[in-house]
Amino acid sequence: DVKVTQSSRYLVKRTGEKVFLECVQDMDHENMFWYRQDPGLGLRLIYFSYDVKMKEKGDIPEGYSVSREKKERFSLILESASTNQTSMYLCATGRVDRNQPQHFGDGTRLSIL
Amino acid sequence: DQQVKQNSPSLSVQEGRISILNCDYTNSMFDYFLWYKKYPAEGPTFLISISSIKDKNEDGRFTVFLNKSAKHLSLHIVPSQPGDSAVYFCAASRDFGNEKLTFGTGTRLTIIP
Repeated sequence: DVKVTQSSRYLVKRTGEKVFLECVQDMDHENMFWYRQDPGLGLRLIYFSYDVKMKEKGDIPEGYSVSREKKERFSLILESASTNQTSMYLCATGRVDRNQPQHFGDGTRLSIL
Repeated sequence: DQQVKQNSPSLSVQEGRISILNCDYTNSMFDYFLWYKKYPAEGPTFLISISSIKDKNEDGRFTVFLNKSAKHLSLHIVPSQPGDSAVYFCAASRDFGNEKLTFGTGTRLTIIP
């Protein structure tokens, strides 16, 4: 069974801080994704990665960056946190085969004060 | 621009009856569609998918229907059970080999015992 682990379930940070959200998967999936979920807006793709050291912008990359130094780990970085980045952040993984669905972690609820 | 829309934010259905969740899309390049289910404080889990070469796919109590000409898909759950109470997201992708998903805004389904 695929396991996608996000390092924190809840996180509270201050405006201007640099914030790291970590995601680790144990199934050797090539693809990894970061989404944020907001009421009325659904899930929106921030960044994704098809391979180590590769990254591509999603639909809302502004204010974020990512790092993928190892296949199993994908980090989302908020360079200077702002209150409008308060959200639920979800990591997902998948194979290079869209007939295989993406698997999600349980999410990190991030509050920026 | 919301390319995948779920126009009903919420839906209540009596236990044992049929639940019908709807989803519309605007991008004619989408050719693969999925439904995910999400409980509070958990990540979305995959339910069922359909390729554009089909108009129906069944898996137990869940059936997805696709009307390409109307750019509309629906998820039928029958019979509805209390454990089906959750938020349901539809998602779409385009281009075989492109694993990016575009999600709808979600519908909260409540099954009334």
